[in-house]
Amino acid sequence: AQSVTQLGSHVSVSEGALVLLRCNYSSSVPPYLFWYVQYPNQGLQLLLKYTSAATLVKGINGFEAEFKKSETSFHLTKPSAHMSDAAEYFCAVSGDGGYQKVTFGIGTKLQVIP
Amino acid sequence: DSGVTQTPKHLITATGQRVTLRCSPRSGDLSVYWYQQSLDQGLQFLIQYYNGEERAKGNILERFSAQQFPDLHSELNLSSLELGDSALYFCASSVTSGGAEETQYFGPGTRLLVL
Repeated sequence: AQSVTQLGSHVSVSEGALVLLRCNYSSSVPPYLFWYVQYPNQGLQLLLKYTSAATLVKGINGFEAEFKKSETSFHLTKPSAHMSDAAEYFCAVSGDGGYQKVTFGIGTKLQVIP
Repeated sequence: DSGVTQTPKHLITATGQRVTLRCSPRSGDLSVYWYQQSLDQGLQFLIQYYNGEERAKGNILERFSAQQFPDLHSELNLSSLELGDSALYFCASSVTSGGAEETQYFGPGTRLLVL
C-alpha cells in the first residue's frame, strides 16, 4: 500500500521568499516520488521526480526536492518565489515506478503575494 | 503546450447520458493514460493503453470504458452518467510503457459537468 500526505492545502508566500511545500509518503517498497504543478485551467506538468538516484533532485523552474528516507519526506523547495509560481502542486508516489501505479496527494495551492 | 490534445474542452450533459472524450497523444507516444480529477476523490488513475492494448487498470468504474485506436488516439466512454461523475478528465501520454525513467505529458483536460 502507498499513500502521500501533503501538509497544508493552501500556502501563501511573499514574492522573493522561500517556497516550502511539504510531502510525506508511505510505501511498502522503495518509492518513486514525483512533484507535479497544475496552472489554472491547464493539465499537470512534471516538475521533478526521484527515481532512487541522487537524493537531491533538481527540477524545472528552479524547484528542487530532497528525498529523506528517515523522515519519509520529499518536500519541494524554491529559494525565491515568483508570481508565476502561483499554481497547485501535487506530490505523488509510485511503489514500482510506473505512472499507472501513481497515488497522488490532495494538492497544495500556492499563493504568491506581491 | 505538451503536444497532447483533448476534445472537447467542456462538456455539459444530463444524468443517465453517455459521453465520449477524445485524446490524441504526442507524436510517437505509444502509451495513453486517463485520469479523473474531482473534488471528492482528488486525482485518480483510471486506465492505461499501450500500443492499442489495455496495459493497466486503476479506479475505473464499470460504467466507464476506453480504447486506443490504430492511429494511437484514445477515447474514454462514460455511460449512465451520475452527478458524481462531474470532474476534470485528463489524458497523458508517454513514449513507451510508463516506467518512471520516462516523462509523461498531460493534456489540458476535459471538464465534464453532469446536471
